[in-house]
Formats: sequence, C-alpha cells, structure tokens
Amino acid sequence: SQTIHQWPATLVQPVGSPLSLECTVEGTSNPNLYWYRQAAGRGLQLLFYSVGIGQISSEVPQNLSASRPQDRQFILSSKKLLLSDSGFYLCAWEPPDVGPLGEKLFFGSGTQLSVL
Amino acid sequence: RKEVEQDPGPFNVPEGATVAFNCTYSNSASQSFFWYRQDCRKEPKLLMSVYSSGNEDGRFTAQLNRASQYISLLIRDSKLSDSATYLCVVNGGGTGGFKTIFGAGTRLFVKA
Repeated sequence: SQTIHQWPATLVQPVGSPLSLECTVEGTSNPNLYWYRQAAGRGLQLLFYSVGIGQISSEVPQNLSASRPQDRQFILSSKKLLLSDSGFYLCAWEPPDVGPLGEKLFFGSGTQLSVL
Repeated sequence: RKEVEQDPGPFNVPEGATVAFNCTYSNSASQSFFWYRQDCRKEPKLLMSVYSSGNEDGRFTAQLNRASQYISLLIRDSKLSDSATYLCVVNGGGTGGFKTIFGAGTRLFVKA
C-alpha cells in the first residue's frame, strides 16, 4: 500500500533563517505531488505541485521554493523565512494516471511551522 | 466570489442530532467533488466522494446539485467523534494543470 511521510512534525524558526521540509511517498511510482499551506482558521492554499522529477509549478509567488530531486521526494525550502510563512504545511500525493480533472488527494501528517 | 464557499460554523449539536452542511462552487466546469474531514492540527482525510446520483456511507450522505452548483453533506445520529472540520473539495475545471480547490471548512462540535 502507499504511504506518505512528512517531517518534521513541528518546527520553530527565527525570522530570516532557512527552511527545508521533506516529503516522501512509498508504494507508488511517478505520483503527482503537492505542497499546501493552511493558515490558522483558513483553508488550504496550494503552493507548488509536481508531475515529475524536476517539474515544479508554482501557484503563489512567494519566498518559498520547491524541488523534486527524486521521483518520490518533494522538498519545500526557503532561504529566509518571514513571519507570514507561519502555518501548517501539508504534502500530498495523487496517483499519476489521472486526467486533467485530478483525483482525490492523500496527505502527509503535516508540519506546524512557527516563525518567530 | 470565492471558488468554493462553505459556512464556517461552528455548528454545535447534541449527540444523535442530524446536521447538514452546504458548499457552493463557482466554476460550472468542475467535475469531481469530495468531502474531507480534518481534525485539529491534523491532515485532511477523505471522507467521501460526491456523485451526481448522490451517495451514502453509513450515517453520511453526500449530494451534488450541478444546476445550482452546490454540494451537501448530511450526518445522521451524530457522534462525539464526528467533531471535526469538514472540507468541501472541488476538482477540475481550472487552468494550469491539476486544480483542486478546498473550501475553508465547516467546524462541527458534537456535545454529549
């Protein structure tokens, strides 16, 4: 069966520090991968998605970036965190054989990031 | 207008009550619809897909009205464990590839 791992679970970082969140998926090949952010009391905001190695699409301009160095690894990074980057970050995957309408998503357990 | 709108609640209901949530979406080209459940500070988990004909899973019933562009979720015989945030999710019809839009969620509190 497929599983998704995301770490760390919680992170407290000072403003201006770098960030690296990692997500890996097991049990599937060439999944579509997503990074979402959820601010307190708000909905999920799509940050990045990837349909393959090295293929990253950004939905929202910001000081974050994403990379997909391996088929089942998705990394969210920042060189310098801002206060506004605080939130709950979720990695998600969906099967690769979906059409343009997408499919239901499976989420990692999330990272609660607090930038102080 | 938001792409997916939900009443944020909270809905406070006693155990055993029936509660209904509605969700409206703006893009008439949307094709796939889901309800997710999210517990506090946890990841969303798929509750059920929503089909045009309506579908039921135990105490949960989901319906889709394409003409009016809304989706509903009915929970019968509420349990304490149903307390959570319910996210309406609409997929497809957008630009730029795979497009999944999440509503901000409706919070439900079930009390003894």
